[in-house]
Amino acid sequence: QKEVEQNSGPLSVPEGAIASLNCTYSDRGSQSFFWYRQYSGKSPELIMFIYSNGDKEDGRFTAQLNKASQYVSLLIRDSQPSDSATYLCAVRRSGYSTLTFGKGTMLLVSP
Amino acid sequence: GAGVSQTPSNKVTEKGKYVELRCDPISGHTALYWYRQSLGQGPEFLIYFQGTGAADDSGLPNDRFFAVRPEGSVSTLKIQRTERGDSAVYLCASSRSGANTEAFFGQGTRLTVV
Repeated sequence: QKEVEQNSGPLSVPEGAIASLNCTYSDRGSQSFFWYRQYSGKSPELIMFIYSNGDKEDGRFTAQLNKASQYVSLLIRDSQPSDSATYLCAVRRSGYSTLTFGKGTMLLVSP
Repeated sequence: GAGVSQTPSNKVTEKGKYVELRCDPISGHTALYWYRQSLGQGPEFLIYFQGTGAADDSGLPNDRFFAVRPEGSVSTLKIQRTERGDSAVYLCASSRSGANTEAFFGQGTRLTVV
């Protein structure tokens, strides 16, 4: 079992809809959770991070963390075609500095 | 500079050759990470520096790979006797120290071994 699992997609949503991206992780020692956006041919760009159970909102983005279920998600409200990219989930274990990444989910937002 | 800088942006080398990839982190960031990303995959951890020392090199695939950070700032990833399977995008990231700090990535070096 991979440490960080994401559906590779593509996830297709129409413009203006809510896109829901999901990630599960296997290590219960994971402490911090990060969402990166990666456009084709570009490097990952940090969107937000979360380390407490519950929701964290930043503009159109909401990260949700449920440590009991080992599940973290990213909601994108009012999706725009410019949101079309691969979204990478990454986790950091308690006491460690390195990030473990999932394979990423490709999101396609159609006009 | 304002962000993480990696050079070169592209490198084509022949199988068996030696290559060096450079990373200049964000000023003041003591932590520096090297990752490798193959097509369709997420970044795969290679090595992590805290200051000048390699705090975790468990991701280096074999002894052909080596990295240094002699003055605690710029880092160089060195690959000996390159193989076609080494072809990937090599990403460098830096962050401040601390458990909940964000890591910021450079634009990467695309290495192609022919």
